[in-house]
Amino acid sequence: GENVEQHPSTLSVQEGDSAVIKCTYSDSASNYFPWYKQELGKRPQLIIDIRSNVGEKKDQRIAVTLNKTAKHFSLHITETQPEDSAVYFCAASTSNSGYALNFGKGTSLLVTP
Amino acid sequence: NAGVTQTPKFQVLKTGQSMTLQCAQDMNHEYMSWYRQDPGMGLRLIHYSVGAGITDQGEVPNGYNVSRSTTEDFPLRLLSAAPSQTSVYFCASTRESGNTIYFGEGSWLTVV
Repeated sequence: GENVEQHPSTLSVQEGDSAVIKCTYSDSASNYFPWYKQELGKRPQLIIDIRSNVGEKKDQRIAVTLNKTAKHFSLHITETQPEDSAVYFCAASTSNSGYALNFGKGTSLLVTP
Repeated sequence: NAGVTQTPKFQVLKTGQSMTLQCAQDMNHEYMSWYRQDPGMGLRLIHYSVGAGITDQGEVPNGYNVSRSTTEDFPLRLLSAAPSQTSVYFCASTRESGNTIYFGEGSWLTVV
């Protein structure tokens, strides 16, 4: 089945700096790649997603890039703020499994003032 | 719309007991699923359904049963609870493959 690897597991940045989280996937049939933010004790919240027919997508300070050939995708957060501190998860989904997601193990991001 | 509603939010079970985690959505979504989240493990898929009457196993289905008799409801049954099933459980739904997935608020389950 699909295997999603996520790095780093923890990331600490200064406020205003950029943060980058990287994920790789194993199943070439994967075609949907969402990123979730989860605050302590809360449900995962979708922050951005990308489909396999697109190489890059941006939403204000957040961007995602996808390299299908290399089977990796990355989350970029610019001008980080303390409220960006949370756990971030990448995920991948194949069309054969419908919408069911395979998640990475998460990155704990800490933004210090 | 209430979105995805899970009950109960917190539950303590004794080993060997059975229980059902309820999940309901009012968005007329075809696809529903259950995930468990353990520290350092991300979310892992337990079971999913692509429509009423259709269910399938995910990555970690052992010890759990599901059914989908209506579009709205997708209960998760623990047949004989074990301490290894102590976890946070999330129900999710989406309208179609590759669309935005909505999560419930989670159910914290402790098995002692």
